[in-house]
Amino acid sequence: AQSVTQLGSHVSVSEGALVLLRCNYSSSVPPYLFWYVQYPNQGLQLLLKYTSAATLVKGINGFEAEFKKSETSFHLTKPSAHMSDAAEYFCAVGEEGGALNFGKGTSLLVTP
Amino acid sequence: DAGVIQSPRHEVTEMGQEVTLRCKPISGHNSLFWYRQTMMRGLELLIYFNNNVPIDDSGMPEDRFSAKMPNASFSTLKIQPSEPRDSAVYFCASSSGQRVETQYFGPGTRLLVL
Repeated sequence: AQSVTQLGSHVSVSEGALVLLRCNYSSSVPPYLFWYVQYPNQGLQLLLKYTSAATLVKGINGFEAEFKKSETSFHLTKPSAHMSDAAEYFCAVGEEGGALNFGKGTSLLVTP
Repeated sequence: DAGVIQSPRHEVTEMGQEVTLRCKPISGHNSLFWYRQTMMRGLELLIYFNNNVPIDDSGMPEDRFSAKMPNASFSTLKIQPSEPRDSAVYFCASSSGQRVETQYFGPGTRLLVL
């Protein structure tokens, strides 16, 4: 089965600083990779997805992720953090048939 | 579009009682997924359906859990009897197509079993 590992369960950045959330995948086939965000007491919302069309994927709210096959990574970045970015972020890999395997999540804290 | 609708949003029940969670997927979507989220185990896939047919229920914890999808616009997840360890947030998600597509999540049902 395909899987993802998110490095760091908690990440803290200052407002305006670079956001970097790490995700490594394990897959025997070209993967479909996703980043979702979960705000408190809400469901998950898609940030972006990789489907092999381009290695640099741009998502909503200024986030982007780069697929690096050599490093089996799909890290999420944003140049300048905003207070409203504080949330839980999940990386996921898609299985044939449509199921997603999610990572454990990374909680992003943005300090003033 | 109304998005994925789940009910109830909150449920408090006593151990041993039957609990039924409901989900209405996005119209036109043919895949439906049930997830459970806890602090200890994170987000777990319980079961998913494609065209109303259960495809993979290997994530269902035990026989106390059952899920049905009688038609394309409705699914239920039932726990009978409920136990305190079932306390979690249960999410329903839907997607279109049979390959890997974006899943759209509902707001979740927060279940507390006393």
